[in-house]
Amino acid sequence: GAGVSQSPRYKVAKRGQDVALRCDPISGHVSLFWYQQALGQGPEFLTYFQNEAQLDKSGLPSDRFFAERPEGSVSTLKIQRTQQEDSAVYLCASSLAGEYYGYTFGSGTRLTVV
Amino acid sequence: AQSVAQPEDQVNVAEGNPLTVKCTYSVSGNPYLFWYVQYPNRGLQFLLKYITGDNLVKGSYGFEAEFNKSQTSFHLKKPSALVSDSALYFCAVRGTNAGKSTFGDGTTLTVKP
Repeated sequence: GAGVSQSPRYKVAKRGQDVALRCDPISGHVSLFWYQQALGQGPEFLTYFQNEAQLDKSGLPSDRFFAERPEGSVSTLKIQRTQQEDSAVYLCASSLAGEYYGYTFGSGTRLTVV
Repeated sequence: AQSVAQPEDQVNVAEGNPLTVKCTYSVSGNPYLFWYVQYPNRGLQFLLKYITGDNLVKGSYGFEAEFNKSQTSFHLKKPSALVSDSALYFCAVRGTNAGKSTFGDGTTLTVKP
């Protein structure tokens, strides 16, 4: 597609529920990133893929968070047993390989845990 | 570790006046520096980047940024602000061989008519 597509745009989950957030990157973009953005703050890094390999997951806040990109294209961020502090906007970005490329961001998924 | 500081939460300028949004960074090795803009209810958009070469880089919508290695700064500038420039601006840094970019907390730019 023309841009990075994220779904759903909005998700309300009851505390303890599992959620799955989807990211469809730009075709040909090797690198894919997940960020978490709390209200009034900058995006915080969660995890990074190059093709299907998860090269860095140092930003995942707990073992309730899990991300995959099995075929090197679409990625899913899964949060198990959601808690109120998980409420945030989850941003997906993709880029060509290399440190000197900027990111193309999706519109994000706003997760609200009630 | 890499980090970014945007010392101003808010910048207010009058339309037609020059604007500056400040950013300082810390990173190991050569820095790759980026500015992104976020309009209300829209995703972050890439604005410009510094990789190497000329310290003054030009980007979208008439924006430019000046890289200063000795001051570890990468300030965003525009000679004449427009009301439509009002948005949230993020500076980001990426180090050599670093997969991830680290973002600042953002600066809200308000341009008044």
